[in-house]
Amino acid sequence: NAGVTQTPKFQVLKTGQSMTLQCAQDMNHEYMSWYRQDPGMGLRLIHYSVGAGITDQGEVPNGYNVSRSTTEDFPLRLLSAAPSQTSVYFCASNNRGRTEAFFGQGTRLTVV
Amino acid sequence: DAKTTQPPSMDCAEGRAANLPCNHSTISGNEYVYWYRQIHSQGPQYIIHGLKNNETNEMASLIITEDRKSSTLILPHATLRDTAVYYCIVLLLIQGAQKLVFGQGTRLTINP
Repeated sequence: NAGVTQTPKFQVLKTGQSMTLQCAQDMNHEYMSWYRQDPGMGLRLIHYSVGAGITDQGEVPNGYNVSRSTTEDFPLRLLSAAPSQTSVYFCASNNRGRTEAFFGQGTRLTVV
Repeated sequence: DAKTTQPPSMDCAEGRAANLPCNHSTISGNEYVYWYRQIHSQGPQYIIHGLKNNETNEMASLIITEDRKSSTLILPHATLRDTAVYYCIVLLLIQGAQKLVFGQGTRLTINP
């Protein structure tokens, strides 16, 4: 039981490039989320999903797209990377109700 | 979601109880108090949550005041591995999804 797995762990992009951050969970959780964490700050919600085919925006959605075609996967796409998107990205999942959220180990992204 | 206020940093001696306060004076009746921690730059880890009664699990105890405007997380016998940033979060479930709003948290340092 791997929990929440994020790939890659590290990535360097040039401004304007696109890429997809992968997130997979093997706990059959309905709910998945993406957060970003800038230096010295708490995490901020980017997008979340309440089930396959259903996504919604969080606090800081601009510049990011998501889709949820399966229960297990919730990829985050950067359409045209900007230096302001340099951050650590965390994916999380939780089951229905007031259960604990499980977080991945993060993807450290640098945009130059 | 209700805003929380935490001290930016605290120190505690190893083996002693660590008491981390949190103010959430604008909490509403159906909002729960959650605590997560983040060790180094790892993904946040769930600790405990509660509504109005005191809660205890294998990691910690959560004491919520009667008016629910503040709470205290207690680590009964702190170890060096408890050094982390601790986040107090008040959240409301949206269609079952947890929208966690992280502040800057309290950086707890356990000293030998």
